[in-house]
Amino acid sequence: NAGVTQTPKFQVLKTGQSMTLQCAQDMNHNSMYWYRQDPGMGLRLIYYSASEGTTDKGEVPNGYNVSRLNKREFSLRLESAAPSQTSVYFCASSGRGWNQPQHFGDGTRLSIL
Amino acid sequence: DAKTTQPNSMESNEEEPVHLPCNHSTISGTDYIHWYRQLPSQGPEYVIHGLTSNVNNRMASLAIAEDRKSSTLILHRATLRDAAVYYCILRDVNSGGGADGLTFGKGTHLIIQP
Repeated sequence: NAGVTQTPKFQVLKTGQSMTLQCAQDMNHNSMYWYRQDPGMGLRLIYYSASEGTTDKGEVPNGYNVSRLNKREFSLRLESAAPSQTSVYFCASSGRGWNQPQHFGDGTRLSIL
Repeated sequence: DAKTTQPNSMESNEEEPVHLPCNHSTISGTDYIHWYRQLPSQGPEYVIHGLTSNVNNRMASLAIAEDRKSSTLILHRATLRDAAVYYCILRDVNSGGGADGLTFGKGTHLIIQP
């Protein structure tokens, strides 16, 4: 039961570097999400994809881009990393409908120096 | 989504029931009450949700006040594994067809003493 798989688990970047966080789900879910969690805080939504081929901004989209590659995969890209983007990033997926629970991955811990 | 208020932390003993409160005085008629929890170094996991009636599942029970302005998540017999941050979240059924994201507050940090 893989569920939602995120890679990498840890990453250290220098300011200005770029990188892509990968997320894949094997539950045939339509919707996928990217959140960030700063220390002592709840999660904040960066971007989401209601279905394959669509993406929408969440609460904190600045500095990020996303790609819904196919139904399974949803990637998050930092084009020019900044120290303020140091955080733990979580990917999630859910089935269609408001009452469907979201299933989360274990997160990517990203540090930007 | 309407705002929720939870205590920052709570402490309980192992094998005793735990009642985690959540206030949502501005809840609308189309808001469902969802609970998630986040174990240390993991992503959040769904616990339970409800609208008006009390709900039970294998993880917990959800008791909803008659006026819906508050709710309580009940863990019937806490174990050390239940130590986590618990989030009470409102979801509007009319919001984004259910595809939009969850709005997390800071939640309640539940500490379980052995």
